[in-house]
Amino acid sequence: AQKVTQAQTEISVVEKEDVTLDCVYETRDTTYYLFWYKQPPSGELVFLIRRNSFDEQNEISGRYSWNFQKSTSSFNFTITASQVVDSAVYFCALSEETGGGNKLTFGTGTQLKVEL
Amino acid sequence: DARVTQTPRHKVTEMGQEVTMRCQPILGHNTVFWYRQTMMQGLELLAYFRNRAPLDDSGMPKDRFSAEMPDATLATLKIQPSEPRDSAVYFCASGLPSSGDTQYFGPGTRLTVL
Repeated sequence: AQKVTQAQTEISVVEKEDVTLDCVYETRDTTYYLFWYKQPPSGELVFLIRRNSFDEQNEISGRYSWNFQKSTSSFNFTITASQVVDSAVYFCALSEETGGGNKLTFGTGTQLKVEL
Repeated sequence: DARVTQTPRHKVTEMGQEVTMRCQPILGHNTVFWYRQTMMQGLELLAYFRNRAPLDDSGMPKDRFSAEMPDATLATLKIQPSEPRDSAVYFCASGLPSSGDTQYFGPGTRLTVL
């Protein structure tokens, strides 16, 4: 069975600090996808990034960066120079191909609070 | 800017009443997912469809929940009869297999059953 672990339940930082959100996954599939979603206080779930299992290149998008390491089954997310608007719950997810479709297994989420 | 839409955004009802939630997937997306989010259980997959056909509804309580896609632009999730434990936020998401089924979520329906 697939599993996604986000061990950090809640993180508080002061604005402009860098913060890393950890994600560790378990799967027996050789082909899979990893995702990060953001859920701000308004409640919607916003897609941030998808990474497939064959692409271990790190990715940077503005202040966001992602570090995918298959050797440690981790897909960590770093926010550089955090801002109050980054305050949200962040979910890591893993896809599993089953029955002709791809199901997502979500982690329990990390609540990030960025304070002034 | 294509988005998944869901109606209603909020619903308060009494135990025993029927509740119907609607979702319009992003045009062209052929995979639709229904999730439930609660504080205790987090995000749970209830059911999902590909080309309007149900692929998996194992996460759904069969006795009271039903999910359908009457056409490619409408997915429905129905609860009959509703119970207080059904209170949650229900999300619909849509995607395409070619993108690893990257799922784009709607704003959710916040359901309160009294």
